[in-house]
Amino acid sequence: SAVISQKPSRDICQRGTSLTIQCQVDSQVTMMFWYRQQPGQSLTLIATANQGSEATYESGFVIDKFPISRPNLTFSTLTVSNMSPEDSSIYLCSGGTEANGYTFGSGTRLTVV
Amino acid sequence: DQQVKQNSPSLSVQEGRISILNCDYTNSMFDYFLWYKKYPAEGPTFLISISSIKDKNEDGRFTVFLNKSAKHLSLHIVPSQPGDSAVYFCAASAVETSYDKVIFGPGTSLSVIP
Repeated sequence: SAVISQKPSRDICQRGTSLTIQCQVDSQVTMMFWYRQQPGQSLTLIATANQGSEATYESGFVIDKFPISRPNLTFSTLTVSNMSPEDSSIYLCSGGTEANGYTFGSGTRLTVV
Repeated sequence: DQQVKQNSPSLSVQEGRISILNCDYTNSMFDYFLWYKKYPAEGPTFLISISSIKDKNEDGRFTVFLNKSAKHLSLHIVPSQPGDSAVYFCAASAVETSYDKVIFGPGTSLSVIP
């Protein structure tokens, strides 16, 4: 299975600022996803990161708030824009293929103050 | 609308006994199912998967059963060990459609009591 390096592992940010989270995969993967896990809740899919085209967002998530880049098959970024305390959460990227399964990054614990 | 459901938020099992974690789904387009295990402060790790063409997949102490007609799958852990204590997520995807995404259930917290 692919190994995903995600950074930063945690950050404390001021409201109104933006944070970019990076995920680097050690092999080419067809699919990459971004998830959010708010306290006490399950993983919620934010968007599918499409290589070479705009990400596909789930209901309730928009590009202006969570811009995503995927310039190639091994790398993706998620930006949390104009942050508010409600954005405090764990953000996870995932990547893989159906044949080999999906793996996750170790997560980014974001606290907005 | 929750497409993947895990109706038991928590489960306690004695060490050495069988743990059975259940998962139900609503979307008949799902054809590939995965289980993930998550420890606190770590990302979820892939555990086992099953394709809709099978009804059982086994890997060591872990076995996943799929009942397509009931839209139900379960994860069996035998024998349960204290190190199995974690949150288990059921996930589903639709490989055959053009939009391949993985949808997670809310998770079941398993406690294995020594």
